[in-house]
Amino acid sequence: DTAVSQTPKYLVTQMGNDKSIKCEQNLGHDTMYWYKQDSKKFLKIMFSYNNKELIINETVPNRFSPKSPDKAHLNLHINSLELGDSAVYFCASSWGQGTGELFFGEGSRLTVL
Amino acid sequence: SQQGEEDPQALSIQEGENATMNCSYKTSINNLQWYRQNSGRGLVHLILIRSNEREKHSGRLRVTLDTSKKSSSLLITASRAADTASYFCATDDIPGNQFYFGTGTSLTVIP
Repeated sequence: DTAVSQTPKYLVTQMGNDKSIKCEQNLGHDTMYWYKQDSKKFLKIMFSYNNKELIINETVPNRFSPKSPDKAHLNLHINSLELGDSAVYFCASSWGQGTGELFFGEGSRLTVL
Repeated sequence: SQQGEEDPQALSIQEGENATMNCSYKTSINNLQWYRQNSGRGLVHLILIRSNEREKHSGRLRVTLDTSKKSSSLLITASRAADTASYFCATDDIPGNQFYFGTGTSLTVIP
């Protein structure tokens, strides 16, 4: 069983469209994260949820809206996509907020044309 | 920000040689971790070292931490072609709210 799974793996879309990426973890972790990895491989945190509660919201445009229906799921919805949103988005989870190791999904590569 | 910085950005060695990567960070930490990322894959945790530890080993991996210099190193001994990947350090902040990554070191091990 995949510990942290995210879908879709690849996403190609036009500017201005809205898209969602889903993430699920079966590890029983309390905390989930979204990271963005740019073309230079820099990995930056976007959001962190602890038990469905938003803990961290870095300086991310409000076109990005995370949703956590339960502590095993953290989805990312992006409105009005822009060229600069092209990146690989990683979901991750950990036992506690900023605690222990992170378990990452395989990433979702978003390409905005 | 606390963002870690890995050095060098890229490293190419022959199989069997040792590979050393360095990480520097800016503010006090609780712990520091190293991750590996194969091309097109997610990051995988390798090792965690706490701020009160100076050295840690795991198989062919050796990690050191110097909190006075705010730096860490990852040594991979007797490298293999399968070690080819990007390696990232991740630091937390003292409140322990989140993890900060850098841009990683891209390691190529030539068979």
